[in-house]
Amino acid sequence: NAGVTQTPKFRVLKTGQSMTLLCAQDMNHEYMYWYRQDPGMGLRLIHYSVGEGTTAKGEVPDGYNVSRLKKQNFLLGLESAAPSQTSVYFCASKAMGGPGQPQHFGDGTRLSIL
Amino acid sequence: RKEVEQDPGPFNVPEGATVAFNCTYSNSASQSFFWYRQDCRKEPKLLMSVYSSGNEDGRFTAQLNRASQYISLLIRDSKLSDSATYLCVVNEANMYSGGGADGLTFGKGTHLIIQP
Repeated sequence: NAGVTQTPKFRVLKTGQSMTLLCAQDMNHEYMYWYRQDPGMGLRLIHYSVGEGTTAKGEVPDGYNVSRLKKQNFLLGLESAAPSQTSVYFCASKAMGGPGQPQHFGDGTRLSIL
Repeated sequence: RKEVEQDPGPFNVPEGATVAFNCTYSNSASQSFFWYRQDCRKEPKLLMSVYSSGNEDGRFTAQLNRASQYISLLIRDSKLSDSATYLCVVNEANMYSGGGADGLTFGKGTHLIIQP
């Protein structure tokens, strides 16, 4: 059971470089999310999507863009990476069915910006 | 920003002991509540949902007090494998006016170490 798959697992970038993180889920979930987790802080929502072709901003969207061209994929882009974006990034997905549905997480992407 | 507060610990307890974690949340409109478990350098995994009437899953018991905006998790007969960080998570539906996207607010987690 693949669930939520994130690629790559690790990446080191130089300041100013761009990259895209890929999240894929095989559970036919409508909702998908991108979070970042920093030391001493809880997970914070970057962007989310309620369905194919739709995206919206979360708590900390600045410096990131997202796209949901296919229901199963949710891409997170960094156009010009900054050291402050060094973090662990988690993707999650959730089925429809109200707030009681839990989110399912991928195993994370560790990103370092030098 | 809506807050979910937890004691960060670490809690060091001997194997077999009972341990309790508490969590408070600031948004009285919060609708759903969860405990997630996160192992070192791993993704969060759902431990259990928390219901108003309280609920139990094996050695784990969760309680919710909406009036006090307080959530608890009790672990009985703790095992070495229970060592992890426990995240208190609150679902605030429509927090971002997202038409039901249900953004989650995470506490920073409570670190539990079970000693042999």
